[in-house]
Amino acid sequence: DIQMTQSPSTLPASVGDRVTITCRASQSVSVWLAWYQQKPGKAPRLLVDKATSLQSGVPSRFSGSGSGTEFTLTISSLQPDDFATYYCQQYHTYYTFGQGTKLEIK
Amino acid sequence: QVRLQESGPGLVKPSQTLSLTCTVSGDSISSGGYSWNWIRQLPGKGLEWIGYIYYSGGTYYNPSLQSRMTISLDTSDHQFSLRVTSVTAADTAIYYCALRGINSGFDHWGQGALVTVSS
Repeated sequence: DIQMTQSPSTLPASVGDRVTITCRASQSVSVWLAWYQQKPGKAPRLLVDKATSLQSGVPSRFSGSGSGTEFTLTISSLQPDDFATYYCQQYHTYYTFGQGTKLEIK
Repeated sequence: QVRLQESGPGLVKPSQTLSLTCTVSGDSISSGGYSWNWIRQLPGKGLEWIGYIYYSGGTYYNPSLQSRMTISLDTSDHQFSLRVTSVTAADTAIYYCALRGINSGFDHWGQGALVTVSS
């Protein structure tokens, strides 16, 4: 099984901050990595796939980078709507998710 | 725009079988290249992929869950289904159906169905 580890688990931040969430894979997943945003009571929303490809309708302040075993999701200027939990997910070999990063108001 | 909607009982007794259906609208469930997935989220926890079925009927399951899971496809009713046998309290979760396109993440999700296993 490919394990996905996110850091940090909780990230206190303020509106306007630049924030970065890291996701590490236990073995290479090439670029087969997606990022999701989930708000309470809602299904996850796909933000980025193939490590760097921003989905249609996702604000450009979101960006993904990385390949192999280390990936990042960056929000360039945090907006109030961005406070949520973020998950990475590999789809190189079956599918596994990271444990999540809760972005909370500082 | 593809839409997915889960349906099924919200309460299942221990040792019984959990059955959920996902109804697809806005696209053909027979479209090539798509996989139709089930994912669950344990209370207050992260996401766990259960398995998927292709339009052709081929299935793939999470190896850690495979023995109790069955996914099936009903193209005439535009639905796919999940059966989980011998449920325990550890199967209490929100169950999502989701579509994955070619070389993409899960780009369409249902709203989720909470299933509680309790006597």
